[in-house]
Amino acid sequence: DAKTTQPPSMDCAEGRAANLPCNHSTISGNEYVYWYRQIHSQGPQYIIHGLKNNETNEMASLIITEDRKSSTLILPHATLRDTAVYYCIVRVARNNAGNMLTFGGGTRLMVKP
Amino acid sequence: EAGVTQFPSHSVIEKGQTVTLRCDPISGHDNLYWYRRVMGKEIKFLLHFVKESKQDESGMPNNRFLAERTGGTYSTLKVQPAELEDSGVYFCASSQEDRGRFYNEQFFGPGTRLTVL
Repeated sequence: DAKTTQPPSMDCAEGRAANLPCNHSTISGNEYVYWYRQIHSQGPQYIIHGLKNNETNEMASLIITEDRKSSTLILPHATLRDTAVYYCIVRVARNNAGNMLTFGGGTRLMVKP
Repeated sequence: EAGVTQFPSHSVIEKGQTVTLRCDPISGHDNLYWYRRVMGKEIKFLLHFVKESKQDESGMPNNRFLAERTGGTYSTLKVQPAELEDSGVYFCASSQEDRGRFYNEQFFGPGTRLTVL
């Protein structure tokens, strides 16, 4: 699975958009971009995933560049409860075989009042 | 619907003792995963069950770790004997079986914090 690079930490003002970048320059054509987050003292939580088109759900938006070498997770109106470590994971979507997640260091997002 | 539950939430044991962690996945989820984060390190995959069968145990660190999932429901992870470096947070996750859906997200439990003294 392709390696990802994320900034170790970011700050965001409450109510503003949080834009979390991820570089995955070695991504293969059949690899997807997944985002999970871990709020303090909780287990990781799935946010969103995509291949090449931009995706949006009730939690966030995912913008993937045309060359797919980088992506940005957008939390449109960050709240204090969005303070967490955000993980960008790139991997092939598989069936039951090989579904484990490979977590890197992630980005520690601090949302400030 | 209840989420993934783990027991105990915390465990403090001495080096050389045995500890058993339990995970109850979301009802109906065939896939069950164990991960752990040791101090200062990243979250690492340990193993993956599909129902009662071990699909992938490539992340298990050594033979002091034994995972079981009898009957394909809850799972246990036993560490025997525990060593200092086993301290960390152990997470369990579950996901639905692959029924042609492209990706089944993994739902994580809150973790068990293990401290080996």
